[in-house]
Amino acid sequence: AQSVTQPDIHITVSEGASLELRCNYSYGATPYLFWYVQSPGQGLQLLLKYFSGDTLVQGIKGFEAEFKRSQSSFNLRKPSVHWSDAAEYFCAVVSLYNNDMRFGAGTRLTVKP
Amino acid sequence: DGGITQSPKYLFRKEGQNVTLSCEQNLNHDAMYWYRQDPGQGLRLIYYSQIVNDFQKGDIAEGYSVSREKKESFPLTVTSAQKNPTAFYLCASHRGTGDDKRGYTFGSGTRLTVV
Repeated sequence: AQSVTQPDIHITVSEGASLELRCNYSYGATPYLFWYVQSPGQGLQLLLKYFSGDTLVQGIKGFEAEFKRSQSSFNLRKPSVHWSDAAEYFCAVVSLYNNDMRFGAGTRLTVKP
Repeated sequence: DGGITQSPKYLFRKEGQNVTLSCEQNLNHDAMYWYRQDPGQGLRLIYYSQIVNDFQKGDIAEGYSVSREKKESFPLTVTSAQKNPTAFYLCASHRGTGDDKRGYTFGSGTRLTVV
């Protein structure tokens, strides 16, 4: 079955520390991959996306993600977290065969001063 | 600027009542989607529409209905048959089939509470 897994429900990091949020997918072929961020009570904002080509993708707000086909993973990273990065982060996939976007359960990020 | 407008932002409903959530986009997107968000469950697809006058059920369509009479509009009705309607509802749109490197665009959501 097709699925998107974010293993970490909640992560806490100190401001200035590095961050990695995990995402694994299970699809028949490599889907389109996305990371979104959501502030409380708001919609989703696109951070970055991967379709093909270079497996290291740069996004907005200093985020990057690396696609690893062998691990079916698309982990999100940031070298130095800012307090304003506290939010919920969603990994999402779109199958090559349809346009349905499916989401992981989300990872809530807390940033300590 | 183009975007998606969801209204109202907050909505209260009495048990047994139907309620309609509005979603309007001026992006000229063909495809539109409704998602339901509950804590710890991510976003689940309710209904989607790839073209005007056509729509399909998503994973959790029971208790919901939609219409797509205009390209710009994709209203969602939460009916009395939906047993647990309290949730955050997000509308999204997409340019359509084919390679679109911009992903989906989301509205700011409607929080529905049953009182």
